[in-house]
Amino acid sequence: LAKTTQPISMDSYEGQEVNITCSHNNIATNDYITWYQQFPSQGPRFIIQGYKTKVTNEVASLFIPADRKSSTLSLPRVSLSDTAVYYCLVGPGAGSYQLTFGKGTKLSVIP
Amino acid sequence: NAGVMQNPRHLVRRRGQEARLRCSPMKGHSHVYWYRQLPEEGLKFMVYLQKENIIDESGMPKERFSAEFPKEGPSILRIQQVVRGDSAAYFCASSPETSVYEQYFGPGTRLTVT
Repeated sequence: LAKTTQPISMDSYEGQEVNITCSHNNIATNDYITWYQQFPSQGPRFIIQGYKTKVTNEVASLFIPADRKSSTLSLPRVSLSDTAVYYCLVGPGAGSYQLTFGKGTKLSVIP
Repeated sequence: NAGVMQNPRHLVRRRGQEARLRCSPMKGHSHVYWYRQLPEEGLKFMVYLQKENIIDESGMPKERFSAEFPKEGPSILRIQQVVRGDSAAYFCASSPETSVYEQYFGPGTRLTVT
């Protein structure tokens, strides 16, 4: 499984765009990049998944450069309710059920 | 459509007692996964089950831990003779058969061993 590295914590003011970058230098050809969000005392929630270039949904955008050795989760105009831990996971897409979570990035949104 | 349900949400056990954690998957989901999260750590995979079958228990400690997903009723994670090191949050997730990587997590059971 590809090892991931992401910042331990980040602070942001309300209304700002937040970008969380994840490094995964040894990503394999068949690996996908998936981000989960976890609020305190809750289970993780799937946010977005991508393989290359850019993926956007109603919650976030995921930017993946051509070499795929890193990825950036972009949260537009964060609010206090976006305060959570964000996990970057790298592994085979369809067919891979064993999700591997690191320590994640603790995002604190400040009023 | 109710999400993944887990109970109890909090469980306190004395050392040596048994802990039974229950998980009801989302409607229509036939795959269940259990994860453990120690304080300040990410979740760690324990076991993957389908109805009446254990598919992968490679993340489960060899002793004292067992899991089942019977034909009827919730999935159960059972920890016998609990020790302080078992104190953690235990999360259950479920997925549809077609997308095992898109897992929906329950709220977790926080086990405290005193």
